[in-house]
Amino acid sequence: DSGVTQTPKHLITATGQRVTLRCSPRSGDLSVYWYQQSLDQGLQFLIQYYNGEERAKGNILERFSAQQFPDLHSELNLSSLELGDSALYFCASSDRGGGAGTEAFFGQGTRLTVV
Amino acid sequence: AQKITQTQPGMFVQEKEAVTLDCTYDTSDPSYGLFWYKQPSSGEMIFLIYQGSYDQQNATEGRYSLNFQKARKSANLVISASQLGDSAMYFCAMREGRNQGGKLIFGQGTELSVKP
Repeated sequence: DSGVTQTPKHLITATGQRVTLRCSPRSGDLSVYWYQQSLDQGLQFLIQYYNGEERAKGNILERFSAQQFPDLHSELNLSSLELGDSALYFCASSDRGGGAGTEAFFGQGTRLTVV
Repeated sequence: AQKITQTQPGMFVQEKEAVTLDCTYDTSDPSYGLFWYKQPSSGEMIFLIYQGSYDQQNATEGRYSLNFQKARKSANLVISASQLGDSAMYFCAMREGRNQGGKLIFGQGTELSVKP
């Protein structure tokens, strides 16, 4: 168990809908990262928050947004969903904001299926 | 641009034998970290081993070792004495030190199948 909790584990929704994925980082970790894993794109970094502030941004669509709350949990909001958004969404956490040796601990992922 | 390449989409190995999974990387940052993760069919990402760009020795963690060849920009994972439970996807990843933030860049992965 990595100590990172993601809910829900599975989510099935229709095109055009909006969903929220939730992540609780390991106790004491200030950074939360979101990644998307799909068959065609592989594992892609979406966004990072550090202590409530956006730290880095990757290939995140405008239809997607995230935030980190004062208790350090994070939510990833996906709106106007399309079939191509079906993927495994991972949250990871670390105790630092960056640095080459920063180890990230991954949650179990949320498998999103858009029908 | 930072990049990770895993050229072996799939690999087979006999149980109890050693196997090497290839990974090459590209970066202009002198400070970087290289990671290997295992993803079993259940989907979770399990950290296996880490190598820092300034580390003099190759990293080892139990049956896992990292063959780090800096001049060739390669960071191959060696699994000794393969077990059936090693069957999974394996991802090589890199984090640059100069990035503001700690994002990981992943390769496409290698699917390892261990035969009894």
